[in-house]
Amino acid sequence: GAGVSQSPRYKVTKRGQDVALRCDPISGHVSLYWYRQALGQGPEFLTYFNYEAQQDKSGLPNDRFSAERPEGSISTLTIQRTEQRDSAMYRCASSLGTGGEKLFFGSGTQLSVL
Amino acid sequence: AQSVAQPEDQVNVAEGNPLTVKCTYSVSGNPYLFWYVQYPNRGLQFLLKYITGDNLVKGSYGFEAEFNKSQTSFHLKKPSALVSDSALYFCAVRDIGNQFYFGTGTSLTVIP
Repeated sequence: GAGVSQSPRYKVTKRGQDVALRCDPISGHVSLYWYRQALGQGPEFLTYFNYEAQQDKSGLPNDRFSAERPEGSISTLTIQRTEQRDSAMYRCASSLGTGGEKLFFGSGTQLSVL
Repeated sequence: AQSVAQPEDQVNVAEGNPLTVKCTYSVSGNPYLFWYVQYPNRGLQFLLKYITGDNLVKGSYGFEAEFNKSQTSFHLKKPSALVSDSALYFCAVRDIGNQFYFGTGTSLTVIP
């Protein structure tokens, strides 16, 4: 696609529900990153993939968070049993290669947990 | 541990004046440094990067950044600010594991 696409743009959920956030990277981009950004803060690393392999998940806050990229393209970030503290902007980014070139960011999913 | 620091939350500059947005970094090994800009309700956009070579790096929209190894800094600069440059600016460093670490951001306001 023309850019990194994230859906939904906004997600409001009740505490305890599971949510799935989707990221569709730029076609052909090998690496895909997930970040969380609180208001007024910089993006906080969560996890990243090269192709379908999850390279680093050290940034995931706890075991309620998981991510997958089964075919090396679209990725899903899943948060189980959501809590209010999970409310944030979740951003996806992709890069063409695995060498850490510049990242292309999507517009994000704003998650609100009530 | 890798990290970047942006000591100024807010920078105000008059249109036409030069601007500087500060960034210092801490990284093991050779630093890979980046600047990104975020406009309201938009994703972050790449401005420029330093990997190796000349200490002065030129990027998009007339921005440039100067890598200073002795001061571990990578300040963003522009000779003449435009009102349209008003945005949130993030400095980032990439580690050997290809993780990117972002600063807390600096809000730039260019006053007409």
